[in-house]
Amino acid sequence: ILNVEQSPQSLHVQEGDSTNFTCSFPSSNFYALHWYRWETAKSPEALFVMTLNGDEKKKGRISATLNTKEGYSYLYIKGSQPEDSATYLCAFNTGGFKTIFGAGTRLFVKA
Amino acid sequence: EAQVTQNPRYLITVTGKKLTVTCSQNMNHEYMSWYRQDPGLGLRQIYYSMNVEVTDKGDVPEGYKVSRKEKRNFPLILESPSPNQTSLYFCASSLEGGHQPQHFGDGTRLSIL
Repeated sequence: ILNVEQSPQSLHVQEGDSTNFTCSFPSSNFYALHWYRWETAKSPEALFVMTLNGDEKKKGRISATLNTKEGYSYLYIKGSQPEDSATYLCAFNTGGFKTIFGAGTRLFVKA
Repeated sequence: EAQVTQNPRYLITVTGKKLTVTCSQNMNHEYMSWYRQDPGLGLRQIYYSMNVEVTDKGDVPEGYKVSRKEKRNFPLILESPSPNQTSLYFCASSLEGGHQPQHFGDGTRLSIL
């Protein structure tokens, strides 16, 4: 079974801090890597889809990078705000159909 | 409004009593999928469907069945539920598998006693 690892499991930061977390995935049979944001009591929402080695995506204060050769992606949040508190999930696609999610990084931002 | 609708949202039932969780999407998406979420394990894929009448197993298919007779609907069937199927279930859809982001339903919390 293919494995997707996310670290850290949880992270506590102060408002205004910048932070980042990691998603590690198999470096073979890569098709796409997705990042989702999941707030408590809601459903996951898509942040980024990354498909090419070296991809960088940005949405406001959140950005992500992709290295398919070594099998990792970083998600960065600049100037964290309390509303950024959520679980951040990455999902690995191989062959386009099967999707494997990591367990997530739970971010807590204190005002 | 584009959405994925799951029903019921909550269900408490007993071991062995067949149940179906419905999932419907109004975005004409080809790809649909079911996941279960358990503490510390993240989302695990149960079954997915690439199109009408095309389904395949995910990582944890045991004890579940699905069907895709119409593009918009993808029900999850538990023929004989057991307590280890107590979980939070999500249905999701995307335009096609892989390069497109998935849109998730609001989740169904199942408790099997």
